[in-house]
Amino acid sequence: KAGVTQTPRYLIKTRGQQVTLSCSPISGHRSVSWYQQTPGQGLQFLFEYFSETQRNKGNFPGRFSGRQFSNSRSEMNVSTLELGDSALYLCASSLDTEQFFGPGTRLTVL
Amino acid sequence: AQSVTQLGSHVSVSEGALVLLRCNYSSSVPPYLFWYVQYPNQGLQLLLKYTSAATLVKGINGFEAEFKKSETSFHLTKPSAHMSDAAEYFCAVSDRGGGSNYKLTFGKGTLLTVNP
Repeated sequence: KAGVTQTPRYLIKTRGQQVTLSCSPISGHRSVSWYQQTPGQGLQFLFEYFSETQRNKGNFPGRFSGRQFSNSRSEMNVSTLELGDSALYLCASSLDTEQFFGPGTRLTVL
Repeated sequence: AQSVTQLGSHVSVSEGALVLLRCNYSSSVPPYLFWYVQYPNQGLQLLLKYTSAATLVKGINGFEAEFKKSETSFHLTKPSAHMSDAAEYFCAVSDRGGGSNYKLTFGKGTLLTVNP
């Protein structure tokens, strides 16, 4: 069974731009969660989608948004990028209590 | 609110020595508990999880952890370290059920180095 895939793997943007990251969950998994990983703040929960509905949300500004499609694929969007948004963004899909993580998208904001 | 504390941001052991990575949690009710490992430039891989009454949990690669409710701890151990165990380890907690178990709260991580 294929694992969680994330595209692109690396991304460079400039301040003020927006970015969209994509996540394809493991087949059959209906829950997709997103996390931000930075050296300073560590791993922080962004949001979780289940059956196209946002079910859980972390403490991030409204510039961070997401959505989930009917095939469970998910996208997250960050608008008006700031230098502090530079991070590894991890996506995880779940069937029950276990979350399976993708390799992440490394976003660099210049 | 839940929180996770990992004691020691960096642990160094010799190959063949015992590995002990400490994790304490704060939660109003017994949560689900997890240990993940992250190798450089990769995502997180689940080592083991505690979700039931069995307090001693065995995971992959020879790791195990014991849930101690009285100490609110979930320390990770491995009897004999291998060079391939060098990585960063994260302890995580989530609520039980109701959809909230999909929101993980992570500790700051412990970087394990293994010396030959």
